[in-house]
Parts: sequence; structure tokens; C-alpha cells
Amino acid sequence: GAGVSQTPSNKVTEKGKYVELRCDPISGHTALYWYRQSLGQGPEFLIYFQGTGAADDSGLPNDRFFAVRPEGSVSTLKIQRTERGDSAVYLCASSLGDGRDTQYFGPGTRLTVL
Amino acid sequence: GQQVMQIPQYQHVQEGEDFTTYCNSSTTLSNIQWYKQRPGGHPVFLIQLVKSGEVKKQKRLTFQFGEAKKNSSLHITATQTTDVGTYFCAGLDNYGQNFVFGPGTRLSVLP
Repeated sequence: GAGVSQTPSNKVTEKGKYVELRCDPISGHTALYWYRQSLGQGPEFLIYFQGTGAADDSGLPNDRFFAVRPEGSVSTLKIQRTERGDSAVYLCASSLGDGRDTQYFGPGTRLTVL
Repeated sequence: GQQVMQIPQYQHVQEGEDFTTYCNSSTTLSNIQWYKQRPGGHPVFLIQLVKSGEVKKQKRLTFQFGEAKKNSSLHITATQTTDVGTYFCAGLDNYGQNFVFGPGTRLSVLP
């Protein structure tokens, strides 16, 4: 079947604006992860969903970041009052069960805050 | 919190030479995964190691998990230009539910 998809692929916004990034996981995968990757660095964990609930949101940098997964499938990462430092590639990954399963990554959304 | 480090940060090799990247965790790991990310691409899963001292092979790639489950290595024999990319390890500790990625080792292979 289809892999993990993310939209948009690129997002350019101005400082202070609100953005939403969407992730469609592989069908049937209960676990969903959001990561942020800056140039030359490894993926930085943001939040992990198991079903509809956020099992671990310890990686969210501050309260401007919020994510939801209301029906246990699609997830949206929401960033309020964007700052230039938020510019990065936001990666979504899903896995069948929990952290012991293979994570399948989406292509990412490149966010640029001007 | 848990920290995962990788060395070297960069490695340039001539095609046909071997390559090794090392991954070290500040805490004991439940398991470790390795990913490869091609330039402009997203991380792609390579393998998972779970048991202490485990060794797994995929063609020219050999993965090893340390006896103390705090370190791991990836060795590529006779590199090819298709091996170019950044190799990340990601460790799951015994208490958390999320993986912590290392900073990656970027491999360049000169033809």
C-alpha cells in the first residue's frame, strides 16, 4: 500500500504566522511520530501518538507547538506564532505497534519562516 | 536525558574501501535501529538490533550491538557509490517510548 504522506511538501511563512502540517500514516499503523530535522542533524523527537492519544509529548519545544490525531489516523502538527528558528524539515513516521517496530518515514515538510 | 552520539561526523572513502560508523548511548538501550538517509531524502529503516552482542548482516553491511547494549556499529565492506548518504542510529531506552536519534555519519564515496 501507500507509504506515509505529508502535506504540504514545502511551506514558506512569515514570522508570527500560524501553520499546520499534515501527516497521513500507513493504514493500520497505530503509532505515529513527529520529528524535526535541521540541516546536518539527526531527527529530533517531538511527539509520539499511540492511537488518538499523545503517549509522549516531551519533545515539543514549547507551548507554540501542538499536535492532534483525533481519529487515530491522520495527524496535524500545529505551530503558532512561528519564529525563524522553527525553520526545519518536519518528518512524520508511523509504525505498526510501538517503539519496537520499524518506523516508516514520510518525505517531510520543509518549513521556512521568513 | 538519554543522549546518543555517533562518530565520525563525516567520512570520505574511495570506492572499494571499507567504512565503519559507531553509535554510543549514555543509557542502556532496549533496542537500536539504523537508518539511511540519502541527500534530499527521508530516513529509511535498515535494521533493528535487540539482543546483547547481536550481529546481523545485510549483504555488505554488518551491524553489531554491544554486550552492554549501550553501543552499536555499522560496517560496510567494499563501499559503492550507492552507499552515499547519512547513516543514523536511533536508540530506544528501557524507560521511554520514543527513539533518540544520533546526529548521523555522512558518508561520501569517491569513484
